[in-house]
Parts: sequence; C-alpha cells; structure tokens
Amino acid sequence: NAGVTQTPKFQVLKTGQSMTLQCAQDMNHEYMSWYRQDPGMGLRLIHYSVGAGITDQGEVPNGYNVSRSTTEDFPLRLLSAAPSQTSVYFCASRGGPNEKLFFGSGTQLSVL
Amino acid sequence: AQSVTQLGSHVSVSEGALVLLRCNYSSSVPPYLFWYVQYPNQGLQLLLKYTSAATLVKGINGFEAEFKKSETSFHLTKPSAHMSDAAEYFCAVSGRGGGFKTIFGAGTRLFVKA
Repeated sequence: NAGVTQTPKFQVLKTGQSMTLQCAQDMNHEYMSWYRQDPGMGLRLIHYSVGAGITDQGEVPNGYNVSRSTTEDFPLRLLSAAPSQTSVYFCASRGGPNEKLFFGSGTQLSVL
Repeated sequence: AQSVTQLGSHVSVSEGALVLLRCNYSSSVPPYLFWYVQYPNQGLQLLLKYTSAATLVKGINGFEAEFKKSETSFHLTKPSAHMSDAAEYFCAVSGRGGGFKTIFGAGTRLFVKA
C-alpha cells in the first residue's frame, strides 16, 4: 500500500516554462487536493477534486490547472511558471471530510 | 465560507511548561476540525481531530484540544512541553458548511527552551 505518491521531489524551472507535478493514490479516495506551503502562510489550497471528472478552485488557483480523469491520479500543471510559484507543493487525499488527509512527500519547486 | 485563524506565528515555552496554541474558525455550522504537526524537513501528520463525538479530544504525544462552539475555538494544549515538541503546528477545517475542501491556518511554530 503506497499511499500518496508524488513526483518529482525537486524541480528547477526557468520563468515561462511549463511542467506537471504528478500525484497518485491507491486508497480509492474520492477527495484529492493540491497545496502550496510558503513560510508564514501555512498550506494554501490550490485546487481540489471530489471525484473523477470533478475539480474546483481553492484559495490560490491562478497559474495552475488540474484534471481528474481517474480516481487514482490528480496532476497539477503549471502552464507558464513564474518566480512567485517558487514553493513546496503537497498533494493530499482523504475519504470523507471528517477523515485525515494523507500527504505526498512534497515537491520543492524553484522558478528562476 | 470557512476560514481558520491561528493566533501567534511563533510561540516559545520552557521545557516542562504548558503549551497553548490557539485556533479560531469561521463557519456557518460547526465544521470538522484538525490539528496537524510538521517536524523539520518532514511532512504533516495528524495530531487529533474533532468530529462532534466529544468536545475534548485527546491526540498523540500528550496533546489535547477542546472544541468550544460559543467561542468558535479549537485550541491545542499540552500540560508539559518536551524538547521533541518543537515543530510547526497547523489547525485545519473541513466539511459541514464549507463543502468538501480542507483549509489550513497559517501555522504556529513552537520553540521549546531547555
């Protein structure tokens, strides 16, 4: 049982480049989400999904796209990276809203 | 819309002293509430959660939190701090009035002095 698998662990981009952060879970969770963690700002919700084919914006969605074609996968796309997107990104999944989140190991992204 | 406020970005206590980390929420109905801890260079792990079964919730490592609807609070306490408690603590809310999403507070970094 792998839990939440998130790749890559580290990434350096140049301004304007695009990339996709991958996230997969094997717990059959309907809810999946992406957060960014910045010093002093906690974890801020970027996008979330409550099931295959259903996505919604979180607190800081600008500059990011997501899709949910299967229950297992929830990739996060940066279409044109900006220095303001330098952050640590976490994917997380859970069952119901009263259940804990399971987190991926995080991606440290630097945009130069 | 739901929101979470953690008072104090940094809290410093002496070893053996009481730990009190504050969390207030805003929601149209009492939400589900969580405390997570993040040790340096690690991911987040659940300390405890409130799901309406009991207002006083006990978690791991001697921590507990009390849900107070009248004060819209869910403060985290530990009677006696240990050096190993030094970490960042996050309060989070989800469900019941805010939809399915989980929202985190800005976090409180706990320092423990010898």
